[in-house]
Amino acid sequence: AQKVTQAQTEISVVEKEDVTLDCVYETRDTTYYLFWYKQPPSGELVFLIRRNSFDEQNEISGRYSWNFQKSTSSFNFTITASQVVDSAVYFCALETGANNLFFGTGTRLTVIP
Amino acid sequence: EPEVTQTPSHQVTQMGQEVILRCVPISNHLYFYWYRQILGQKVEFLVSFYNNEISEKSEIFDDQFSVERPDGSNFTLKIRSTKLEDSAMYFCASSVQLRGVTEAFFGQGTRLTVV
Repeated sequence: AQKVTQAQTEISVVEKEDVTLDCVYETRDTTYYLFWYKQPPSGELVFLIRRNSFDEQNEISGRYSWNFQKSTSSFNFTITASQVVDSAVYFCALETGANNLFFGTGTRLTVIP
Repeated sequence: EPEVTQTPSHQVTQMGQEVILRCVPISNHLYFYWYRQILGQKVEFLVSFYNNEISEKSEIFDDQFSVERPDGSNFTLKIRSTKLEDSAMYFCASSVQLRGVTEAFFGQGTRLTVV
């Protein structure tokens, strides 16, 4: 069975602070993909990143970085120097051979000016 | 940049009525999906569609739901007799699978309110 756990329901940070959003996943599949999506207050889902299970290299894209560790089944997301526009709900998701996404419950990030 | 388009953005319907949510996937994508998000909750998979048939569906996708690709461009979700608990944001997504890699692009969602 597949499961995605985002233990942090809500996080508040002051602008310019760094923040890490945690994601822990469970799957018995050896081939899988992990995703992060952003859902701003307007409601749409914005794709941020996809990683496959064979690629544990960490990735950095501007202020965003992702730490994938298979040993702990975690795929954490860090925003450096947070900005008010980063305020959103962030979803971690897992895709296995079934070709559909299992989402975590999301973490609501509020960046306070 | 190509995008998935959903209409309407907001639909209000009376309980028991049929509703059709429409989606135009990205044109070269082969896989289509519907997801649902009840207000404040996580996004849940409903159904995936490939080669003109359902490839996967969740427990939520019962006999009240159906999907169709009526004309080669639109992808619709029909709820036959809406219930109050069907009120949610419904997201359409499409993807192209290339060498086992899938990236689903989501539409902006249709907020369904059943009254």
